Amino acid sequence: DAGVIQSPRHEVTEMGQEVTLRCKPISGHDYLFWYRQTMMRGLELLIYFNNNVPIDDSGMPEDRFSAKMPNASFSTLKIQPSEPRDSAVYFCASSPYRGTQPQHFGDGTRLSIL
Amino acid sequence: SQQGEEDPQALSIQEGENATMNCSYKTSINNLQWYRQNSGRGLVHLILIRSNEREKHSGRLRVTLDTSKKSSSLLITASRAADTASYFCATDARAQGGSEKLVFGKGTKLTVNP
Repeated sequence: DAGVIQSPRHEVTEMGQEVTLRCKPISGHDYLFWYRQTMMRGLELLIYFNNNVPIDDSGMPEDRFSAKMPNASFSTLKIQPSEPRDSAVYFCASSPYRGTQPQHFGDGTRLSIL
Repeated sequence: SQQGEEDPQALSIQEGENATMNCSYKTSINNLQWYRQNSGRGLVHLILIRSNEREKHSGRLRVTLDTSKKSSSLLITASRAADTASYFCATDARAQGGSEKLVFGKGTKLTVNP
């Protein structure tokens, strides 16, 4: 089975540009999570979806961040406009039937904002 | 605030030795999970232990849970160079009235020297 697929793996862009990160969860998984990982703050949950519906976005840092899940096989995390402090590794994860059950992670997108 | 905190932050051992990592958490849980993260990759689920379990084994991994002390330990026996990675504990926030999400600690970085 294919795992969680994220693209791009690396993104370098200039401050002020729009950034779109993409995620394809494992087929049949009902839950999708977006995380951000930094040295300072560790792994932080940004938002999660259940059956394509956003459930908890309390971790989204500010209005510059938005996430969508138009269907069960695709989600995006968008940052507009981007800032240097958004530089981090962004992970997408999915789980089959409960969010608190084992989650399957993609290999992340390493984002650098210059 | 972080629910789980790992200890130590970093651990360096020789191949063949055992590695023990600890996790403390603050509020009641339904389950606790351990994940591994190799450099440049996503997190991989290792083992889940429920709040009514005290010990669980999986191959060379042994996990204990002490709910009275709100702590867990992960023991890796007969370590190998391939075990070099960061290890994270994660607890469910459900018992706090939170939603279907996990809260991760900042991890223990394990280095196994050949």
